[in-house]
Amino acid sequence: DGGITQSPKYLFRKEGQNVTLSCEQNLNHDAMYWYRQDPGQGLRLIYYSQIVNDFQKGDIAEGYSVSREKKESFPLTVTSAQKNPTAFYLCASGVRAATNEKLFFGSGTQLSVL
Amino acid sequence: AQSVTQPDIHITVSEGASLELRCNYSYGATPYLFWYVQSPGQGLQLLLKYFSGDTLVQGIKGFEAEFKRSQSSFNLRKPSVHWSDAAEYFCAVVFTGGGNKLTFGTGTQLKVEL
Repeated sequence: DGGITQSPKYLFRKEGQNVTLSCEQNLNHDAMYWYRQDPGQGLRLIYYSQIVNDFQKGDIAEGYSVSREKKESFPLTVTSAQKNPTAFYLCASGVRAATNEKLFFGSGTQLSVL
Repeated sequence: AQSVTQPDIHITVSEGASLELRCNYSYGATPYLFWYVQSPGQGLQLLLKYFSGDTLVQGIKGFEAEFKRSQSSFNLRKPSVHWSDAAEYFCAVVFTGGGNKLTFGTGTQLKVEL
């Protein structure tokens, strides 16, 4: 089955620790995105990538880093510089980055701070 | 400034009643418009989209939306709500020429009373 997979579903971070959220897609999509979702704030764009080995900052990139070494994978690292990391993180992929015509979303990762 | 607004945070309707969820945007041109639905703890699923042409668009699950340029609105409607429609609904917009990023509204939580 084609789709987009996020893991783990739940993740806990200790103070000062970096953690990495996985996002894999087998839809052959060029564009991939990371969003952060907080209650009452909708989704906010962290980083996006329109092609392998290239990515751009979104609206709230501080404290996060990404890589796009393979078309299928777009991992997100939440660094210790992100002081308020508790949120629901959603990864998405799409065919046409120019129009965001149709995004496919993963089922999300809930990150909490211990 | 470019923005998208969903004025209703929560809406409660009875099963079988009609539904209208509001979405307004602020932009000098016509953006690309989308409605997504999210079930608890899950990713988002595209309901429908508008790029151009007929201002009344049909989507999945019996939903439709109407683009009204004069009101800068893209309201989502359903003639008869089912209990399974209870979810959070997000209006999203691509402001063309602004990096083509997808901007989400803050969401409307729909509760369906049996």
